[in-house]
This record gives sequence, C-alpha cells and structure tokens, in this order.
Amino acid sequence: AQSVTQLGSHVSVSEGALVLLRCNYSSSVPPYLFWYVQYPNQGLQLLLKYTSAATLVKGINGFEAEFKKSETSFHLTKPSAHMSDAAEYFCAVSEGTNAGKSTFGDGTTLTVKP
Amino acid sequence: KAGVTQTPRYLIKTRGQQVTLSCSPISGHRSVSWYQQTPGQGLQFLFEYFSETQRNKGNFPGRFSGRQFSNSRSEMNVSTLELGDSALYLCATQSGVDNEQFFGPGTRLTVL
Repeated sequence: AQSVTQLGSHVSVSEGALVLLRCNYSSSVPPYLFWYVQYPNQGLQLLLKYTSAATLVKGINGFEAEFKKSETSFHLTKPSAHMSDAAEYFCAVSEGTNAGKSTFGDGTTLTVKP
Repeated sequence: KAGVTQTPRYLIKTRGQQVTLSCSPISGHRSVSWYQQTPGQGLQFLFEYFSETQRNKGNFPGRFSGRQFSNSRSEMNVSTLELGDSALYLCATQSGVDNEQFFGPGTRLTVL
C-alpha cells in the first residue's frame, strides 16, 4: 500500500520569499513521486516527477524537489514566489512505473501576499 | 497536440438519476484514468483503462463503472446518483512510455 501526507493544508508566503511545501510518502516498493499544481476550475498540471534517477528534480516554473529516502520525503521548493504561484499543490505517489493509478495527498493551498 | 478533453464540463442531476461522462485522450495515449475530487475526500482514484481493459480499480461501489473504446476514448457512468457523488471528476491519460499523466479540465457534477 502507498500513501502521501502533505504537511500544512494552507501555506502563505510573501512575494519573493522561499516557497516550501512538504510531502512525506509511504510505499512498499521504490516510489515514483509527482508534484502537480491545480488552478481554480482547472485540471492538474504536472510540475515535476521523480523516477529513481537524480534525487534533485527540477520542474517547470522554477520549482524543484529533492527525494530523501531516509526521510521518506519529497518536499517542493521555489526560491522566490510569484503572485502567479498561488494555487493548490498536490503530491502523489504511484506504485511502480504506472502513473495511471496514483495516490494523492490532500493538497496544500499556497497563498502569495504582495 | 490537443490536450485531454472532457465533456460535459458541468452537469446537474437529481438523486436517483444516472450520468455518463466522457474523456477523449491525447492522441496516442492508450491509458485513461478517472479520479473523483471532493473537498472532504480529496482526489481519489476510481479506475484505469488500457487498451479497452480495466487495468486497475479503486475502492468505489459498483454504481461507478467505466469503459474504453477502441479509439481510447473513455466513458464513466454513475448510476443511482447520491448527493455525495457531487464532485469534480477528472480524467487523466498517459502514453505509457514516460510515466506521466496529463489531466483534463474535469466535469463538475452536482447532484440535487
């Protein structure tokens, strides 16, 4: 069985500040991990994915995440927040190579203050 | 390349009715997954179809069913609608090569 825990349902940062969204996972097999972003009334867009290659993964829009096996974590960061980053972010884990059956965290709503 | 298309975008039904939602994948994508998103339960996996066969199934009652056609388009059906079925239903497709899902905009179902 696999599961994802996102710590903090709401995170608020000032524009230009560091963004840190936390994700811890549980998986009985080597995990494939994903971060998605969802804007209001839209579907999910993939930000980045970890598939057992490099532990530091760079994604779109300046986001990156680091896979830490010892901590079972896959936290999402961005050095400098923009107003356009305000959205809901989901961490997900898939069992093996099939992303088609993914387990999602509860989501973190990011607010960016001017 | 066109993205994932879901129709209709919005739907209002009453309890006891049934509903059919449609998903057209990106060209060449053979896997289609369905998810239910609600404020209380978050994103939950319903089922996945690949080459017209259900490959995986989540923990939903039998009222929820789906199918996939030879052109990879997929439909999901919910029978005997309940108030709790009100949700955003998301479809996601993948090529099966690069382990990435591409999501459609969703169908917002409201059950009155």
